[in-house]
Parts: sequence; structure tokens; C-alpha cells
Amino acid sequence: SQQGEEDPQALSIQEGENATMNCSYKTSINNLQWYRQNSGRGLVHLILIRSNEREKHSGRLRVTLDTSKKSSSLLITASRAADTASYFCATDARGQNFVFGPGTRLSVLP
Amino acid sequence: DTGVSQDPRHKITKRGQNVTFRCDPISEHNRLYWYRQTLGQGPEFLTYFQNEAQLEKSRLLSDRFSAERPKGSFSTLEIQRTEQGDSAMYLCASSLVTSGGNEQFFGPGTRLTVL
Repeated sequence: SQQGEEDPQALSIQEGENATMNCSYKTSINNLQWYRQNSGRGLVHLILIRSNEREKHSGRLRVTLDTSKKSSSLLITASRAADTASYFCATDARGQNFVFGPGTRLSVLP
Repeated sequence: DTGVSQDPRHKITKRGQNVTFRCDPISEHNRLYWYRQTLGQGPEFLTYFQNEAQLEKSRLLSDRFSAERPKGSFSTLEIQRTEQGDSAMYLCASSLVTSGGNEQFFGPGTRLTVL
């Protein structure tokens, strides 16, 4: 089964609104990463949060990590149409290959 | 453009044929990964190299799949006797593993269609 599971599977919002995606995982991790993928393209790394970090910011992105609940969230503030993409979390765990979840498909409507 | 290139971008083949894909990673990166991705799913790990050594291979990877990274630079992924179920996007990624993490840089992918 997937190590990381994103929630929701799909999300539609209006431009300017905030978008929140969640990721749950099963085992202890070294770090958790979020990636974006535009349709038919490769993945682009967004942000990495280490297991000893609780929150991280990068521009309009805010990632939180709760290792006690084995969950992470990605918040995109003031969304733009260009943010329309699939978003994946990936866990990097000792003795385990990099594991991606099935992703959240975000649609930002103008 | 992440600096990782893949060739070809698209490949259409008939069932039973062999195909080979190439990945050129970022030059100073020591790790190279291959993933497979089908529609609506996240990337699925296939194998990875640390320099020229293939360190891990997914149990899901059949014997028809083989990968090489002969000089620790570019890598090839070969699929022999292709089947329709092999149709997918094949992604390559590279990373420089440090104590800080393992951020992966992905290529644009090779889309394989098996007829």
C-alpha cells in the first residue's frame, strides 16, 4: 500500500482562495517532500520538511508536519490559475525507497 | 527545465518489441532513479543507482525490465517483449544525497504506448 496518501483526491477553488492538501503516511520518516506536476510533465520539487521540523514556508507555500499523527499539510495561499496541477507528497524513510502518494488534483478557477 | 533530460519523449511500439529509454541526469548528482507513472497515480519506484551501482530494484519490476548506468552518468532503461500493460510515463530523477535531504529533480518523462 502507499506510504503517503493525499487528501482530498481533487480540489476546485476560485482564484485568490487558499488551498489545503493533506498527506498521511505510515512509517517513521527522515523527511517528507511535496512535488507539483503539471499535466503531462515531470514533477517539480516544492519543499522539503525534515522529521525534526514542524513548519516550513516558501513563498506562498506553507508546509506543516506532525510526526505524532504521521501527517503533513500543504497550504497554498492566494492561489492563481497557474497553480492548477497535481500535488504529491513523498516520504523519504530509512530502508525504504522514495514513496509517492496518488496525489491531489488542484483546479484553480479564474 | 530541471536539468534532467530524457529521450525520447514519446515512444509508440507494438507488443513484443523491445524499447530503450535514456536519461541524462544533472552532472554532479550521484543518485539516479527510475519511476513509472500511470494516469491518475503517483510515480511508482522502479529502481535507483548510486553512481554506477544499482542498489535497489522494485519487487514489482519484472525480469523484462533492465536498467544500466555504466559510467555513473547517463542511464538506460530497457523493456523487453513489451506488453500493453507497460504503457505508462517513465520518469527519471536525479539527486545529490546529502545530510540535508534527498531532493529529486525530475526529467520530463518518456511516454510509452504499447499497441
